[in-house]
Formats: sequence, structure tokens, C-alpha cells
Amino acid sequence: GESVGLHLPTLSVQEGDNSIINCAYSNSASDYFIWYKQESGKGPQFIIDIRSNMDKRQGQRVTVLLNKTVKHLSLQIAATQPGDSAVYFCAGFGTGTYKYIFGTGTRLKVLA
Amino acid sequence: NAGVTQTPKFQVLKTGQSMTLQCAQDMNHEYMSWYRQDPGMGLRLIHYSVGAGITDQGEVPNGYNVSRSTTEDFPLRLLSAAPSQTSVYFCASSPRAGGLSNNQPQHFGDGTRLSIL
Repeated sequence: GESVGLHLPTLSVQEGDNSIINCAYSNSASDYFIWYKQESGKGPQFIIDIRSNMDKRQGQRVTVLLNKTVKHLSLQIAATQPGDSAVYFCAGFGTGTYKYIFGTGTRLKVLA
Repeated sequence: NAGVTQTPKFQVLKTGQSMTLQCAQDMNHEYMSWYRQDPGMGLRLIHYSVGAGITDQGEVPNGYNVSRSTTEDFPLRLLSAAPSQTSVYFCASSPRAGGLSNNQPQHFGDGTRLSIL
């Protein structure tokens, strides 16, 4: 079946360092991918998205890379700040299925 | 602009009771969906709707019903609550779904925390 998974459950980084959060997906039909940030007690918040006809997309301090050959997605956060501490989810969407499939999440801890 | 509004925020039920979780959006979004989130897990899709009058099942639909009589509202009904349905429930919406150029990210509500005793 479809699945979207993350390589690491917890990632600890020093403040000011760059963070890289990885995600693997299994469904080749997924053509749209999103990264969300979820803080405690809140709903997921959109960070950045990428369509399958792109390899890279940049936002403010964040970059998403998509490697369709190995079905891998990554989120890079530059100059990680304490406010970046949260759980990060990737999600894949297949146009044919109309379903978003979420990964289990990676908890990012920023160390002072 | 309120975005996605979920009510109630908290609810405690007894096994066998029924209830409806409300979800409303004021952004004229076509696509709406319900997820449940359990500790240490990601969001699992319960039901979704691509427009008024159209609903379909997600990954974990058993024990839940939905309807979409208007664009704005997408209620989730628990027919006979079971302890296994204790979870945090999130509703989300996006402008539309389908078509590589149409896809846009979902907006999420703040969740309903449901405990079933």
C-alpha cells in the first residue's frame, strides 16, 4: 500500500546549524508533496510544497529537495532557531487517489 | 477570515455513545478531509471530500461517517464510540485537489481532543 515514512524519529541540532529532515515515499503516483510543522497542541502548519515536476524549491530559510528516482524527499532548515523546535511531517498526494498520506513525523530539538 | 474551525476542542464520551465533530471553513475550499492523530504517529486519513455532495473513504474509515451537504461544512460522526477511537482529530481543507498544477496545501484546524471511556 501507500506509505510515507521518515528516517529518524528525533533530530537534535545546535542553534544556528542547518537541519535536514528526510522522508521516503512508496507510491510512484504521488505527484505533490508538502512539509508541515506541528507545535504542541496545535494543528499542522504548512511550510513548503513541491510538485513532482520540480527537483528543488526554496522558501524563507527552508529548502525542499525531491529525488523521484529513489522516492526521497528532504527538508533543509538553514540557521536553525529555537522557534523551529517542533514535529515535522511530510505528506504525499496522489492526483489519482485524491488522498494525502502523511509520514509519522520527526521531532526537531534545537539545542542552545 | 476564520480559516478552519473545529468544535468542540475537547470531549469525553462513554463507550457506545454517538457524537458529531464539527468542521467549518470560510475559504470556499472544495477539498476537505478528516484525520486522526495518535501518540507517536502521523496523521491518518479517515474520510475526505472533493466537493459538496461527494465523500470517500480514507485509510481508517471504520466507525466513522461523514457528509458534505455544503461547501463550508464537513461533520464527522462517531456512530458508537469505542476506546480505540480516543485520539486527536484534525479537519483540513484546500482550495481544490487534482491536477498537478492545481494542488495547494491544506489548512488545518486546531483539532478536537476526544477521550472515550
